[in-house]
Amino acid sequence: EAQVTQNPRYLITVTGKKLTVTCSQNMNHEYMSWYRQDPGLGLRQIYYSMNVEVTDKGDVPEGYKVSRKEKRNFPLILESPSPNQTSLYFCASSSRQLHSNQPQHFGDGTRLSIL
Amino acid sequence: AQSVTQLGSHVSVSEGALVLLRCNYSSSVPPYLFWYVQYPNQGLQLLLKYTSAATLVKGINGFEAEFKKSETSFHLTKPSAHMSDAAEYFCAVSANTDKLIFGTGTRLQVFP
Repeated sequence: EAQVTQNPRYLITVTGKKLTVTCSQNMNHEYMSWYRQDPGLGLRQIYYSMNVEVTDKGDVPEGYKVSRKEKRNFPLILESPSPNQTSLYFCASSSRQLHSNQPQHFGDGTRLSIL
Repeated sequence: AQSVTQLGSHVSVSEGALVLLRCNYSSSVPPYLFWYVQYPNQGLQLLLKYTSAATLVKGINGFEAEFKKSETSFHLTKPSAHMSDAAEYFCAVSANTDKLIFGTGTRLQVFP
């Protein structure tokens, strides 16, 4: 089954404790992206990657890191989490770059709470 | 720069009534437009997309949307609401960039 898998689904942690949210897709997609969803703000893009070893900042990259060492994986790293990063996070992938109109496939989300 | 505005953060309808969710976009080049639906505790699913072919786009679950360039709109409609349509709906635009810009979402409630 074609899917985007995120782990963990839920995490409560404390300020400053490094964490990683994993994302994996089994569709051989070139494009992957991370979003955060906050009430009243919709989804905002954090980082995206157009292929292996190619990453770029989205609209809200501060406080986050990503890597794309393999095509299927695109982990999101919070080196020193802060309470303002408490949010619902989504990973997404698509077969081509967005301006070719390919829709994105989304994971089920990771709810992070940083105390 | 491209942007999306969804009018109405909450819309309530009765079961069987018309659903109309509004989306207006801003783009300096011909856009690609999408509607996604998010059910509780789930990720986003694609409902439909406009890619410069037919201006009336039909999607899943009986939804459709009409691209109106003169009004810069891409409103989502469904003739008869069902209880299972209760969800949050997002309009999104992509225009010659590698970014997908989302609106702030509209939560649809359906009453029996």
